[in-house]
Amino acid sequence: GAVVSQHPSWVICKSGTSVKIECRSLDFQATTMFWYRQFPKQSLMLMATSNEGSKATYEQGVEKDKFLINHASLTLSTLTVTSAHPEDSSFYICSAGTSGRGDEQFFGPGTRLTVL
Amino acid sequence: SQKIEQNSEALNIQEGKTATLTCNYTNYSPAYLQWYRQDPGRGPVFLLLIRENEKEKRKERLKVTFDTTLKQSLFHITASQPADSATYLCALNDYKLSFGAGTTVTVRA
Repeated sequence: GAVVSQHPSWVICKSGTSVKIECRSLDFQATTMFWYRQFPKQSLMLMATSNEGSKATYEQGVEKDKFLINHASLTLSTLTVTSAHPEDSSFYICSAGTSGRGDEQFFGPGTRLTVL
Repeated sequence: SQKIEQNSEALNIQEGKTATLTCNYTNYSPAYLQWYRQDPGRGPVFLLLIRENEKEKRKERLKVTFDTTLKQSLFHITASQPADSATYLCALNDYKLSFGAGTTVTVRA
């Protein structure tokens, strides 16, 4: 199956700093990438959908100025958490699909962010 | 409001038995329903997709049913093994993929 990687797998940062998470589709071209957040024992919550070369579409309640998403190529999307605070600590997971509707999404291994 | 409910947070079963997980939804009209497996600290892994016009889908020891009248999907793991221990998530496609909170299955040897 298709492989999606994320980097880093975990990161610890100080409050107020920015953190960038990369999501790469390794063996296919992803027209659409999705960013999710998961708190312990909760479901994955979609944060935003990004299509290559266009602006991301954010879900209601997600601050687009805080969670910057760039989808510069068909194999790379980045999520930057700006001015991170402890409440941003979570498990961030990206997925990639080949259609906007997302028949099957291929998920990355996730990035654990801890903000001190 | 829209809601996806998975029957229980945890399910403990003996090796060799069948695990049955339930996913109920309200206020969705999904074109498809998917099941994923998630291991601790890892991203979900796709298992099965079933479309609204399909009643049942099988893949090896896994079986999924989809009843759009009841707004329910059942996920069965037959001849369960300790390696099947994980959290299983159902997800609905309408304009986006929406997940349930998952059921954690523990298979005892």
